[in-house]
Amino acid sequence: SQQGEEDPQALSIQEGENATMNCSYKTSINNLQWYRQNSGRGLVHLILIRSNEREKHSGRLRVTLDTSKKSSSLLITASRAADTASYFCATGYNFNKFYFGSGTKLNVKP
Amino acid sequence: DTEVTQTPKHLVMGMTNKKSLKCEQHMGHRAMYWYKQKAKKPPELMFVYSYEKLSINESVPSRFSPECPNSSLLNLHLHALQPEDSALYLCASSQVMGKNNEQFFGPGTRLTVL
Repeated sequence: SQQGEEDPQALSIQEGENATMNCSYKTSINNLQWYRQNSGRGLVHLILIRSNEREKHSGRLRVTLDTSKKSSSLLITASRAADTASYFCATGYNFNKFYFGSGTKLNVKP
Repeated sequence: DTEVTQTPKHLVMGMTNKKSLKCEQHMGHRAMYWYKQKAKKPPELMFVYSYEKLSINESVPSRFSPECPNSSLLNLHLHALQPEDSALYLCASSQVMGKNNEQFFGPGTRLTVL
């Protein structure tokens, strides 16, 4: 399977704390993307990092990519209750084929 | 308009019914996708259309029949489904089918097969 694996499967933190999620994958990729999904609804694109990039920032989000270890991490700083959602990494291969990771369910307690 | 819309939001159907899911985008995207997502699982790719032509079929059973009548519309025709086909069906689009393209997702259709 080309699907990524994410850990942890579930993460519970207090508002204001940082949340870190990790994604590992098996084969070489073109890019890796992170998506958020609220309670069984559509996915919202958060950030894309290309295979030749190592780090990317967007607001409170920081994504790193280590292609030698075939892994990526998503850091959400100063978390808010509204960040409560499931987070998926999606690994991009040729022809825009995406495989989603298993997901991390984040719960941010007010 | 940066939205992908899907109708209906919910659908309940029997195993002998024929129904269709509809997806629409007006962002000028030329690649459109169907995904299936079971509860507490990641989305799984079903079909990819590029310039209104079917490019990828991930070995989906023939009881699911996709159709792309024009560059803005994507349908998924359903016939003789099984209860295990109950899931959230997500549509997505991207500028083109190629590298490094963000996919925009619709809110999904929650399908229940009785």
